[in-house]
Amino acid sequence: DAGITQSPRHKVTETGTPVTLRCHQTENHRYMYWYRQDPGHGLRLIHYSYGVKDTDKGEVSDGYSVSRSKTEDFLLTLESATSSQTSVYFCAISESGSTDTQYFGPGTRLTVL
Amino acid sequence: DAKTTQPTSMDCAEGRAANLPCNHSTISGNEYVYWYRQIHSQGPQYIIHGLKNNETNEMASLIITEDRKSSTLILPHATLRDTAVYYCIVRPSGGGADGLTFGKGTHLIIQP
Repeated sequence: DAGITQSPRHKVTETGTPVTLRCHQTENHRYMYWYRQDPGHGLRLIHYSYGVKDTDKGEVSDGYSVSRSKTEDFLLTLESATSSQTSVYFCAISESGSTDTQYFGPGTRLTVL
Repeated sequence: DAKTTQPTSMDCAEGRAANLPCNHSTISGNEYVYWYRQIHSQGPQYIIHGLKNNETNEMASLIITEDRKSSTLILPHATLRDTAVYYCIVRPSGGGADGLTFGKGTHLIIQP
């Protein structure tokens, strides 16, 4: 299995509070992604990164920001969490843009009350 | 990305080969076929991918028809731990950082 960890694995928070999820990889892969998974929607891309300090938006980026200051870490921040952001969040990595196999982390289950 | 069509669910007896079909009739020449699976509450797991030729690895075999409009994922000796949702995805090579598009997949249930 690819060396990907996510923290925390579970979090319950209240509406309006900031939340940061962390994805850590030990594979030295260039690309990192954040997805959310909700019933009836499948996985949807939030943001991705193609290198340190290089990020771009995905399909459902509103309400989320990301940062990547080191190759191994990709942070997802909910500046002011809302109940609609209750979801399971998955991080993924891939070695390069031309090698499209993405490997996924174990996920973080976030509940916003 | 080309669309895929998969059966909603399938059953297979433990120890038998599980054959999961996928239709991708609008696939383009530079698009690969990828298979992932997701066991309940876990992250999607990469299984295998291919372009034209059949592929085999330690987990499964991928059979792609000559016209590339459909493919079959084969788990040669299914176990209870293979119960999962299986996703067939097509996407271009050199696709950059585009996200993967997961459809509804096939819920494979391995029966003891």
